[in-house]
Parts: sequence; structure tokens; C-alpha cells
Amino acid sequence: QSALTQPASVSGSPGQSITISCTGTSSDVGGNNFVSWYQQHPGKVPKLMIYDVRIRPSGVSNRFSGSKSGNTASLTISGLQAEDEAHYYCSSYTINSAWVFGGGTNLTVL
Amino acid sequence: QITLKESGPTLVKPTQTLTLTCTFSGFSLSTNGVGVGWIRQAPGKAPEWLALIYWDGDTRYSLSLKSRLTITKDTSANQVVLTMTNMDPIETATYYCAHRPSGICFGCFDFWGQGILVTVSS
Repeated sequence: QSALTQPASVSGSPGQSITISCTGTSSDVGGNNFVSWYQQHPGKVPKLMIYDVRIRPSGVSNRFSGSKSGNTASLTISGLQAEDEAHYYCSSYTINSAWVFGGGTNLTVL
Repeated sequence: QITLKESGPTLVKPTQTLTLTCTFSGFSLSTNGVGVGWIRQAPGKAPEWLALIYWDGDTRYSLSLKSRLTITKDTSANQVVLTMTNMDPIETATYYCAHRPSGICFGCFDFWGQGILVTVSS
């Protein structure tokens, strides 16, 4: 199972919106609605931000939103804040009843 | 409150077998739909899913590592054990266990342990 494809880095200024893409195949992202997004600050444990493509767990800011079209899922962060600077990873359940992660995107808040 | 904690050796030699234990609280691995998975993350790299065990004992493994992995559970002790044979230096990583909830959030891991850094070196 190949890793999902994410841009290595994205950046934005405070208050702006950014979108991170996550491209897979019909065997994972395109084959179900079980895409998740995780935020990881340096030296910290990954934190679940979005699950089932677009659902936010309790306590996650509504500035974070998810969507999907075909084999590509997206995470959008609106009203960028300095605390959003982190690595973001997508993950998908697969047709083989397994999980696959993306390569990660480093978000820089300028 | 759900918590998980990984334990095991922090240093193993190449070709040795790694055995890690995940001790958890705040949920039962006998609850329908619940699972516990293992995920590792090499320094500076993305997470890599390794294995998962469900409440009913069903197991899932990464296809590329399946021949080297075994995941088991002790429901009464609230523990899940992962063994990985024939360890290689490139598998130096932080190993996490994580909770896979029942019902909602089918494909996600909502609570993670703090992780244990395992170094593979002679």
C-alpha cells in the first residue's frame, strides 16, 4: 500500500485560509469516506482533527474543515493562527481493511 | 478518560525480535467495534500503520510487514502486545499504540499513547 500524496509544505499569513490536499486511489481515499486528518506539533503526539472526511471531534476548532472529491481529500484551515503551524497528515482506511497515511505537510504560518 | 501507554525495550539489536506492550484504561477491548492499533513514526517521517486488533480478536496487518508482525490482546489486563521479528536499523522509530473507537470514526485513531522511541542498533 503506497502512502497517500500530500504537498511537502504550505504556508499562509495569519488570518488567511490554506488547503492541504491528500491524493490516493480508488482503493483508499476514493473508495470510502473514512479519511482522517492529524495535526502534529514537534515532539508531540498526533492529534485527530477531522474524521470521516469532514467531521470534527469535540474540541477541535471550526476553523478546520475537510472535504473530498474523487481520490483527493482536502483539509482547509481558515483564519490561520500561529498555533496552527505544525505537520499535518491525512490517513485513509483501505479496501484491504488496512490504514495508510500520507507523507505529511509542513504548515508554516508566516 | 481514555489513556494508552507503550512499554518495552528502547534498544534492540539488528535481527532481534521487538516486543511492545500497550496498557490502556478508560475503555474495554471487549466492547463491540473497539480496536487498538500500532503505528510507528521514524524521525522526521510520516506515521506508518502497522497492525490492529479488534474487540473480537480479529487482526489486521500492514501487507508489507505481515510476515513479521503479531498482535495479541489480554482483555482482562487491558493490554495489547505487538511483536516484530528481525528488526533492522532503518526501523528505528517512535512506536505508538492508539484507540480505534466503535461506531463513529470508523477509520480513525482518536486517542494515542505518548509513544516509545525504539532504537535498532548493535
